[in-house]
Amino acid sequence: GAVVSQHPSWVICKSGTSVKIECRSLDFQATTMFWYRQFPKQSLMLMATSNEGSKATYEQGVEKDKFLINHASLTLSTLTVTSAHPEDSSFYICSARAPNPGLSDSPLHFGNGTRLTVT
Amino acid sequence: KQEVTQIPAALSVPEGENLVLNCSFTDSAIYNLQWFRQDPGKGLTSLLLIQSSQREQTSGRLNASLDKSSGRSTLYIAASQPGDSATYLCAVKCGNNRLAFGKGNQVVVIP
Repeated sequence: GAVVSQHPSWVICKSGTSVKIECRSLDFQATTMFWYRQFPKQSLMLMATSNEGSKATYEQGVEKDKFLINHASLTLSTLTVTSAHPEDSSFYICSARAPNPGLSDSPLHFGNGTRLTVT
Repeated sequence: KQEVTQIPAALSVPEGENLVLNCSFTDSAIYNLQWFRQDPGKGLTSLLLIQSSQREQTSGRLNASLDKSSGRSTLYIAASQPGDSATYLCAVKCGNNRLAFGKGNQVVVIP
């Protein structure tokens, strides 16, 4: 089945540094990938939609200069948390929709997430 | 704005019992509804996808129903096993092509 790989699975960084998270679709091409953020016992909140070859679409309240998204190829999207602060500590998850001809819609497949801790 | 609620937030059942997890949504204008499983510290695994025109989907011991007009979906897990312990999330795809998630049903199956 469709596999989405996310790396790293966890990262600890100091305040003020930047962290890059990678999201890869391993066995399919994804023109669109999604980045979510999840706090403990809370819903996933969509941060932005990553579009291959064009600018990402950010949700209201998400700072595009802080959360830089690059979707350079059909199998890779990256999220960079710039000048990280402790309040950015969270669980970040990416997802992609595998194309499935014949279906009006296809399931969304998720990476295993990245636990970011900013000290 | 679409709001998704999952009840109960947490439950524990003895092994072998059937599980019933509820999801409700406020806006019935959805494209589909998807149930996911999330293990602690992990991403989401898709379990079942129900299109808006469908009433239910089945996969093995899992069955999900959808009543779009009343804004409800139910996930049934038959003959629960300790390996079913996880958080189950439902999400609806809305007209703006976004997914709205519930907070999840945290399930513990006691051996």
